[in-house]
Amino acid sequence: EVQLVQSGAEVKKPGESLRISCKASGYSFTSNWISWVRQMPGKGLEWMGRIGPSDSYTNYSPSFQGHVTISVDKSISAAYLQWSSLKASDTAIYYCARPRSDYAGDAFDIWGQGTMVTVSS
Amino acid sequence: ETVLTQSPGTLSLSPGERATLSCRASQYISNTYLAWYQQKPGQAPRLLIYGASSRATGIPDRFSGSGSGTDFTLTISRLEPEDFAVYYCQQYGNAPWTFGQGTKVEIK
Repeated sequence: EVQLVQSGAEVKKPGESLRISCKASGYSFTSNWISWVRQMPGKGLEWMGRIGPSDSYTNYSPSFQGHVTISVDKSISAAYLQWSSLKASDTAIYYCARPRSDYAGDAFDIWGQGTMVTVSS
Repeated sequence: ETVLTQSPGTLSLSPGERATLSCRASQYISNTYLAWYQQKPGQAPRLLIYGASSRATGIPDRFSGSGSGTDFTLTISRLEPEDFAVYYCQQYGNAPWTFGQGTKVEIK
Protein backbone atom coordinates (compact mmCIF):
# COMPACT_ATOMS: atom_id res chain seq x y z
CA GLU A 1 0.00 0.00 0.00
CA VAL A 2 1.30 3.42 -0.96
CA GLN A 3 1.30 5.71 2.04
CA LEU A 4 2.85 8.75 3.65
CA VAL A 5 3.13 8.67 7.42
CA GLN A 6 3.89 11.91 9.19
CA SER A 7 5.45 12.57 12.58
CA GLY A 8 3.32 13.42 15.57
CA ALA A 9 1.91 16.66 16.90
CA GLU A 10 4.32 19.28 18.20
CA VAL A 11 3.98 22.07 20.76
CA LYS A 12 6.71 24.67 20.59
CA LYS A 13 7.51 28.15 21.82
CA PRO A 14 8.10 31.15 19.55
CA GLY A 15 11.70 31.29 18.39
CA GLU A 16 12.27 27.55 18.68
CA SER A 17 13.31 25.37 15.77
CA LEU A 18 11.40 22.38 14.47
CA ARG A 19 11.62 19.66 11.87
CA ILE A 20 8.66 17.46 11.00
CA SER A 21 8.83 14.37 8.83
CA CYS A 22 6.92 12.47 6.19
CA LYS A 23 7.93 8.84 5.64
CA ALA A 24 6.98 7.17 2.37
CA SER A 25 6.35 3.51 1.75
CA GLY A 26 4.90 1.25 -0.92
CA TYR A 27 6.53 2.92 -3.91
CA SER A 28 9.91 4.05 -5.23
CA PHE A 29 10.55 7.17 -3.17
CA THR A 30 12.76 8.87 -5.76
CA SER A 31 10.11 8.57 -8.50
CA ASN A 32 7.66 11.18 -7.23
CA TRP A 33 7.97 14.70 -5.95
CA ILE A 34 6.74 15.48 -2.42
CA SER A 35 4.88 18.70 -1.62
CA TRP A 36 4.00 20.31 1.69
CA VAL A 37 0.61 21.97 2.27
CA ARG A 38 -0.40 24.19 5.19
CA GLN A 39 -3.86 24.45 6.72
CA MET A 40 -4.22 27.10 9.40
CA PRO A 41 -6.97 26.58 12.00
CA GLY A 42 -10.37 26.71 10.33
CA LYS A 43 -8.86 27.83 7.04
CA GLY A 44 -8.14 26.49 3.58
CA LEU A 45 -5.20 24.74 1.97
CA GLU A 46 -1.98 26.50 0.96
CA TRP A 47 0.77 24.95 -1.15
CA MET A 48 4.13 25.66 0.43
CA GLY A 49 6.64 24.00 -1.85
CA ARG A 50 7.94 20.72 -3.20
CA ILE A 51 11.07 18.64 -3.50
CA GLY A 52 12.26 16.10 -6.03
CA PRO A 53 13.70 13.27 -3.96
CA SER A 54 16.10 12.08 -6.65
CA ASP A 55 18.18 15.28 -6.65
CA SER A 56 16.69 17.34 -3.78
CA TYR A 57 15.67 20.09 -6.19
CA THR A 58 13.17 22.38 -4.49
CA ASN A 59 10.51 24.92 -5.50
CA TYR A 60 8.86 27.16 -2.95
CA SER A 61 5.77 29.30 -3.05
CA PRO A 62 6.84 32.95 -2.72
CA SER A 63 4.67 33.10 0.41
CA PHE A 64 6.90 30.55 2.14
CA GLN A 65 10.30 31.10 0.50
CA GLY A 66 12.86 31.87 3.16
CA HIS A 67 10.55 30.90 6.04
CA VAL A 68 10.79 27.11 5.77
CA THR A 69 13.19 24.54 4.37
CA ILE A 70 12.18 21.33 2.61
CA SER A 71 14.63 18.45 2.47
CA VAL A 72 14.80 14.68 2.00
CA ASP A 73 16.76 11.70 3.20
CA LYS A 74 16.62 9.17 0.38
CA SER A 75 18.21 6.46 2.53
CA ILE A 76 15.10 6.26 4.69
CA SER A 77 12.49 7.52 2.18
CA ALA A 78 11.66 10.57 4.26
CA ALA A 79 10.88 14.19 3.48
CA TYR A 80 11.16 17.00 5.99
CA LEU A 81 9.78 20.45 6.64
CA GLN A 82 11.75 22.62 9.00
CA TRP A 83 11.72 26.01 10.66
CA SER A 84 14.69 27.74 12.29
CA SER A 85 12.60 30.18 14.32
CA LEU A 86 8.91 29.49 14.80
CA LYS A 87 6.25 32.15 15.12
CA ALA A 88 2.76 31.92 16.57
CA SER A 89 1.43 32.33 13.03
CA ASP A 90 3.05 28.99 12.11
CA THR A 91 0.36 27.23 14.13
CA ALA A 92 -1.34 24.95 11.62
CA ILE A 93 -1.75 21.44 10.33
CA TYR A 94 0.93 20.54 7.81
CA TYR A 95 0.35 17.85 5.20
CA CYS A 96 2.80 16.16 2.89
CA ALA A 97 1.36 15.04 -0.42
CA ARG A 98 2.51 13.06 -3.46
CA PRO A 99 1.42 13.68 -7.05
CA ARG A 100 -0.36 10.87 -8.86
CA SER A 101 2.42 10.50 -11.44
CA ASP A 102 6.15 10.95 -11.60
CA TYR A 103 5.56 14.26 -13.34
CA ALA A 104 6.21 17.16 -10.98
CA GLY A 105 3.06 18.96 -12.05
CA ASP A 106 0.22 16.61 -11.18
CA ALA A 107 -2.63 16.42 -8.72
CA PHE A 108 -2.00 14.95 -5.27
CA ASP A 109 -3.48 11.51 -4.83
CA ILE A 110 -1.60 10.43 -1.71
CA TRP A 111 -1.64 12.55 1.44
CA GLY A 112 -0.07 12.13 4.84
CA GLN A 113 -2.34 12.21 7.87
CA GLY A 114 -1.17 15.69 8.82
CA THR A 115 1.03 17.04 11.62
CA MET A 116 -0.45 19.61 13.99
CA VAL A 117 2.10 22.24 14.99
CA THR A 118 1.18 24.57 17.84
CA VAL A 119 3.39 27.55 18.60
CA SER A 120 2.54 29.31 21.84
CA SER A 121 4.37 31.03 24.64
CA GLU B 1 0.22 33.82 -8.77
CA THR B 2 -3.03 32.30 -10.03
CA VAL B 3 -5.88 33.10 -7.66
CA LEU B 4 -8.73 30.59 -7.58
CA THR B 5 -12.12 31.88 -6.45
CA GLN B 6 -14.70 29.28 -5.45
CA SER B 7 -18.42 29.92 -5.26
CA PRO B 8 -20.62 29.71 -3.41
CA GLY B 9 -18.89 29.76 -0.05
CA THR B 10 -21.55 27.47 1.41
CA LEU B 11 -24.11 25.30 -0.35
CA SER B 12 -27.08 24.08 1.70
CA LEU B 13 -28.71 21.08 0.07
CA SER B 14 -30.61 17.91 0.94
CA PRO B 15 -29.48 14.34 0.23
CA GLY B 16 -30.44 13.36 -3.29
CA GLU B 17 -30.12 16.88 -4.65
CA ARG B 18 -27.62 18.03 -7.25
CA ALA B 19 -24.63 20.15 -6.20
CA THR B 20 -22.84 22.49 -8.58
CA LEU B 21 -19.59 24.07 -7.37
CA SER B 22 -17.67 26.71 -9.30
CA CYS B 23 -13.95 27.53 -9.45
CA ARG B 24 -12.78 30.57 -11.40
CA ALA B 25 -9.10 31.29 -12.06
CA SER B 26 -7.51 34.73 -12.33
CA GLN B 27 -5.51 33.55 -15.33
CA TYR B 28 -5.58 30.78 -17.90
CA ILE B 29 -4.72 27.35 -16.48
CA SER B 30 -2.56 25.49 -18.93
CA ASN B 31 -3.38 21.92 -19.95
CA THR B 32 -6.54 21.96 -17.78
CA TYR B 33 -4.32 21.22 -14.79
CA LEU B 34 -7.17 21.64 -12.34
CA ALA B 35 -8.05 19.24 -9.51
CA TRP B 36 -10.85 18.93 -6.99
CA TYR B 37 -10.47 17.60 -3.46
CA GLN B 38 -12.92 16.68 -0.71
CA GLN B 39 -12.02 17.25 2.91
CA LYS B 40 -13.98 16.07 5.95
CA PRO B 41 -13.33 17.30 9.50
CA GLY B 42 -10.16 15.84 10.98
CA GLN B 43 -9.13 14.19 7.72
CA ALA B 44 -6.63 14.87 5.00
CA PRO B 45 -7.97 16.01 1.63
CA ARG B 46 -8.98 13.32 -0.87
CA LEU B 47 -8.45 13.68 -4.60
CA LEU B 48 -11.70 13.50 -6.57
CA ILE B 49 -10.93 14.94 -10.01
CA TYR B 50 -7.72 15.69 -11.89
CA GLY B 51 -7.14 17.19 -15.32
CA ALA B 52 -10.42 19.09 -14.83
CA SER B 53 -12.60 16.09 -15.71
CA SER B 54 -10.90 12.75 -14.91
CA ARG B 55 -12.10 10.90 -11.85
CA ALA B 56 -9.44 9.63 -9.47
CA THR B 57 -9.28 5.94 -8.61
CA GLY B 58 -12.26 4.75 -6.62
CA ILE B 59 -14.29 7.94 -6.94
CA PRO B 60 -18.01 7.31 -7.62
CA ASP B 61 -19.41 8.43 -10.95
CA ARG B 62 -21.82 10.84 -9.27
CA PHE B 63 -18.79 13.16 -9.11
CA SER B 64 -17.93 14.88 -12.38
CA GLY B 65 -15.73 17.77 -13.39
CA SER B 66 -15.83 20.07 -16.37
CA GLY B 67 -14.40 23.29 -17.70
CA SER B 68 -11.27 24.72 -19.24
CA GLY B 69 -9.29 27.93 -19.39
CA THR B 70 -10.43 29.90 -16.38
CA ASP B 71 -13.83 28.42 -15.48
CA PHE B 72 -14.30 25.02 -13.91
CA THR B 73 -17.17 23.15 -12.29
CA LEU B 74 -17.55 20.19 -9.96
CA THR B 75 -20.95 18.52 -10.07
CA ILE B 76 -22.27 15.96 -7.62
CA SER B 77 -25.31 14.49 -9.35
CA ARG B 78 -27.13 13.14 -6.29
CA LEU B 79 -25.80 13.97 -2.87
CA GLU B 80 -25.18 11.05 -0.55
CA PRO B 81 -24.90 11.59 3.24
CA GLU B 82 -21.13 11.07 3.06
CA ASP B 83 -20.72 13.87 0.48
CA PHE B 84 -21.34 16.69 2.96
CA ALA B 85 -17.87 18.15 3.33
CA VAL B 86 -15.63 20.98 2.15
CA TYR B 87 -14.45 20.95 -1.47
CA TYR B 88 -11.32 22.65 -2.78
CA CYS B 89 -10.12 23.26 -6.30
CA GLN B 90 -6.40 23.41 -7.01
CA GLN B 91 -4.44 24.43 -10.07
CA TYR B 92 -1.10 22.84 -10.87
CA GLY B 93 -0.55 24.40 -14.28
CA ASN B 94 1.01 27.69 -13.20
CA ALA B 95 3.69 27.96 -10.52
CA PRO B 96 3.15 28.35 -7.64
CA TRP B 97 0.35 25.80 -7.31
CA THR B 98 -2.65 27.35 -5.58
CA PHE B 99 -5.92 26.26 -3.97
CA GLY B 100 -9.31 27.90 -3.88
CA GLN B 101 -10.72 28.98 -0.52
CA GLY B 102 -13.18 26.09 -0.44
CA THR B 103 -16.92 25.48 -0.72
CA LYS B 104 -18.72 23.87 2.19
CA VAL B 105 -21.58 21.57 1.22
CA GLU B 106 -23.86 21.30 4.23
CA ILE B 107 -27.09 19.49 4.96
CA LYS B 108 -30.14 21.68 4.58
